[in-house]
Amino acid sequence: GAVVSQHPSWVICKSGTSVKIECRSLDFQATTMFWYRQFPKQSLMLMATSNEGSKATYEQGVEKDKFLINHASLTLSTLTVTSAHPEDSSFYICSVRKLIGTGNEQYFGPGTRLTVT
Amino acid sequence: GNSVTQMEGPVTLSEEAFLTINCTYTATGYPSLFWYVQYPGEGLQLLLKATKADDKGSNKGFEATYRKETTSFHLEKGSVQVSDSAVYFCALTSIIQGAQKLVFGQGTRLTINP
Repeated sequence: GAVVSQHPSWVICKSGTSVKIECRSLDFQATTMFWYRQFPKQSLMLMATSNEGSKATYEQGVEKDKFLINHASLTLSTLTVTSAHPEDSSFYICSVRKLIGTGNEQYFGPGTRLTVT
Repeated sequence: GNSVTQMEGPVTLSEEAFLTINCTYTATGYPSLFWYVQYPGEGLQLLLKATKADDKGSNKGFEATYRKETTSFHLEKGSVQVSDSAVYFCALTSIIQGAQKLVFGQGTRLTINP
């Protein structure tokens, strides 16, 4: 069954509004979650690392005031796209890291398609 | 920096054909290597992985061998099925600024025709 869920699966919003995307870890508590962005026919670009109980770590070039990340519990992280513009239209994917033995593995959510009109 | 390069797609094959999707990487240290698959409308799923040189990852008939000498991790399958149609991503783990992160290739879209 699914390990990671995202909500909503797709959303259309008007330019200037804000949109919140939820990422839930269903099977285990995740101290670390990741947010990626995927443009059409392109690879995933890591936007930020979300750490439970602390501030997210953003990748170079990602505006932290525009893409607000909150990881308030061990099973939920949210990404809020503030004052959305058409260029923010994309596929947003979250993943959770699970510790396995001495290593770890990432499980990905099904993604959220955002269209800003 | 660390990077992954995949063969450009799209790749179109007939059912039961042999599949190879090339992947090469640039990395410092000893990264773990992965292949992820993304079926239409779904998120990425781990297909297989290898954590050290000469390791072979395998799953669902797919195989890939970690070749340190050629910095490659090519994906192969002897006989593809229509259900294998998807986008395939090669990836490696990289320690960036003290944190472990996945670095993805650009993805290769595979279409299998009956």
